[in-house]
Amino acid sequence: SYELTQPPSVSVSPGQTAIISCSGDRLGAQYVSWYQQMSGQSPVLVIYHDNKRPSGIPERFSGSNSGNTATLTISGTQTMDEADYYCQAWDSTTVVFGGGTKLTVL
Amino acid sequence: EVKLVESGGGLVQPGGSLRLSCAASGFNFRNHWMSWVRQAPGKGLEWVANIKQDGSESYYVDSVRGRFTLSRDFAESSLYLQMDNLGAEDTAVYFCARIYGGYTGYMDVWGKGTTVTVSS
Repeated sequence: SYELTQPPSVSVSPGQTAIISCSGDRLGAQYVSWYQQMSGQSPVLVIYHDNKRPSGIPERFSGSNSGNTATLTISGTQTMDEADYYCQAWDSTTVVFGGGTKLTVL
Repeated sequence: EVKLVESGGGLVQPGGSLRLSCAASGFNFRNHWMSWVRQAPGKGLEWVANIKQDGSESYYVDSVRGRFTLSRDFAESSLYLQMDNLGAEDTAVYFCARIYGGYTGYMDVWGKGTTVTVSS
């Protein structure tokens, strides 16, 4: 079965750039989505189709996808961005999530 | 307002059954694939099942195939997940999500979730 691998944790200082990776076999050949989940909340879509931002998502969130790795970048990270982040792709007609990355802003 | 509201969770004994519901509003329910995603305590997101917009086909993660059945009611704009032969490994918060763009799309709307606890 298809697997997506994320680092368990990433730490940044406020104002710095956070980079969260997501790797999978030939991941660049398909679209990747990213979800933010704050503690105790439902997931929220922050990036779709590799690099598109839904309405209401700040410009500091961006994404890219090439080769075997997709990347979520948060520029000028704010304390409110502290959350778990999940990448998501498809394996035929089934959905695959990465294991999640806990972003700490301190 | 586009909204998904889950219900039906609760405490159930191992081997028991539960039926989760997801009421959709604010959009044309017929136009979208729908999905259930769960999250065990302290764990990450796990996709559970998808259903096509016309309800003709459903797809399941291996761990629930044969035990869970996904269906949809267009008159009620609702999604249902029938869960049978439940085990402790099914304990989780279950989220309903809308898939925008069909197959290979993305989950743009999520409910708040309903909690399922399997324990004796």
